[in-house]
Amino acid sequence: DIQMTQSPSTLSASVGDRVTITCRASQSIYSWLAWYQQNPGKAPKLLIYKASSLESGVPSRFSGSGSGTEYTLTISSLQPDDFATYYCQQYYTYSSWTFGQGTKVEIK
Amino acid sequence: QITLKESGPTLVKPTQTLTLTCTFSGFSLSTSGVGVGWIRQPPGKALEWLALIYWNDDKRYSPSPKSRLTITKDTSENQAVLTMTNMDPVDTATYYCAYKTGDRPFDYWGQGTLVTVSS
Repeated sequence: DIQMTQSPSTLSASVGDRVTITCRASQSIYSWLAWYQQNPGKAPKLLIYKASSLESGVPSRFSGSGSGTEYTLTISSLQPDDFATYYCQQYYTYSSWTFGQGTKVEIK
Repeated sequence: QITLKESGPTLVKPTQTLTLTCTFSGFSLSTSGVGVGWIRQPPGKALEWLALIYWNDDKRYSPSPKSRLTITKDTSENQAVLTMTNMDPVDTATYYCAYKTGDRPFDYWGQGTLVTVSS
């Protein structure tokens, strides 16, 4: 199975900060990576797919990059609505999908 | 407009079998490329993918609880059903169903349903 390792697990930041979250796969996933945002008590919301494609309706301050085994989610200027938990997910394998452990972005 | 909603018991006893139903609208599970998956999240913990069924009845399971899981679909009722046997307190979680199509990830999710396993 492909393992996904996210870092950091918690991130303290202020409104307006640039924030970067990293996700590492145990083997190449050829950019088949998604990023989700989850608010407490809510279902995850898709932000980024195919490593760098912005989902329709998602603000442009969110961006994704990476290839092979290393991927990043960047929020260019953190807004109050962005304080949430973020998960990466690999969907390279047709038969198995795995999520990272999550990164909680909290107010500094 | 695609919507999904999970339903089932909120409380099950250890060793019992859990049956959850995902009722959806806005798409058909007979359309080529479409899939419905189940993902769970224990309180305060990360998301865990469990199972997925495709339009052609192809089924995929997580290796972890694989032997305990069964996923089926009822195309006429617009439902996908997950069965998990031999429930344990560690299976306490919010269970989500989600939609995917083609080479996209899960882009529509249900609201989730909390299942507690306790005697």
